[in-house]
Order: sequence, then C-alpha cells, then structure tokens
Amino acid sequence: QVTLRESGPALVKPTQTLTLTCTFSGFSLNTNDMCVSWIRQPPGKALEWLARVDWDDDKYYSTSLKTRLTISKDTSKNQVVLTMTNMDPVDTATYYCARTRRGYSYGYVFDFWGQGTLVTVSS
Amino acid sequence: SSELTQDPAVSVALGQTVRITCQGDSLRSYYASWYQQKPGQAPVLVIYAKNNRPSGIPDRFSVSTSGNTASLTITGAQAEDEADYYCNSRDSSGNQLVFGGGTKLTVL
Repeated sequence: QVTLRESGPALVKPTQTLTLTCTFSGFSLNTNDMCVSWIRQPPGKALEWLARVDWDDDKYYSTSLKTRLTISKDTSKNQVVLTMTNMDPVDTATYYCARTRRGYSYGYVFDFWGQGTLVTVSS
Repeated sequence: SSELTQDPAVSVALGQTVRITCQGDSLRSYYASWYQQKPGQAPVLVIYAKNNRPSGIPDRFSVSTSGNTASLTITGAQAEDEADYYCNSRDSSGNQLVFGGGTKLTVL
C-alpha cells in the first residue's frame, strides 16, 4: 500500500524559507524509474509542478522557481524534502507530494498523492 | 503561464459523452496524463498515455491524441464525474513537467 504524507509549517512569514517533508511508504526511491514530485495549488487555482527527484538522484525544477527551490531525498528514512526560499504571499498554496513513475512507453505519471498541506504566507 | 492549454469549463448532460482537450506543442512528442480533482481532495490519476487506467478507474474514461491536442473522453458521464480535470505532460524541452490550467466539468 503506497502512502505519502506532507508535513511542514502551516504559516510562514514573507522572506522566510519554507521546508516541507514528504514521508512515504509502500515503495522505495532506490527502485529504477521511481521518483517523487512536489506540486502546489493556490486556493481556487490550477496545479503547478515544482520539482522532481529521481531514483538516481537526478533533480529537476520548474524553470520559473528554479532559483528558489531545492529538493533532496533520504532513502533510509523514505523522505523527500523541498525547500523554497524567500517566501511571498503569492506562494500561499496547498503543497502536494506525489509518487512519480517513469516509463519509456508513457513518460511520467503521478500515480499516488499525499493529502496536501496548506501553507499560508503572511506577516 | 502554462504550456498546456485547457478550456476552463465544460458541461455535459448526464449519460452523454464529453471530450476535454489539452493543447500544447510538446504533445506532438510526449504523452499526456490526466487527473481528476474533486473539491477539497487531492488529485487522482485517471488515465495516461495510450488508455492506461489505474485500478478502479472505469473504462468510460478514454484518451486520444491528434497533432498537438490530447483529449480525454468520458462516454456516458455520471454525476460522480463532476470535477476539475488537469492534463500533464513534459514541456517542450522535455526536462520538466507541466500542468494544463484545468477544466471544470459540470454534469447536468
């Protein structure tokens, strides 16, 4: 049974750094073609892909946020951590982590999602 | 701005067929995946690539691609299909993943 759970602060102040942790079970990030992505959704708005870490420790970031994001994995703890610097009120959103599978015949799919964590940026 | 474009809203009569489209140049090279999101819930993968459906997703959901457009078709829409639908694929560079702006489906 695959599960993912996001954790982190519900409230951050502008200019602060956000650190979110995704704790997962039911799969290993040591397995070929297995990845974890972070995705966010501002209230009432669309999903936005942020970053992905792959089984081989390759990392990919959204072009628009690349300078502010860092993703890392700890396979011994089954965790993926995302940090986002210089937080702004427009970064207020629900942040999801999702298991991401890669397949040569289909590309990348987000097949399991956490329930999401709402992060509000306000002074 | 998203590299994948979706119509903001679509409606369908109960039991009828509806198509939700996703346009983008990258779809000429890469498959799309589709996600259903109901209010207050996390998205759920419903279908991807060539009609690959996860366990538990009914076969009334199907996909097709033509040129730069990927389409999600629901044949015989049910009340429980009312939701937001998002497409996802790689961007033109192939290195990143991008979502469409989402389509709100109303079942009348």
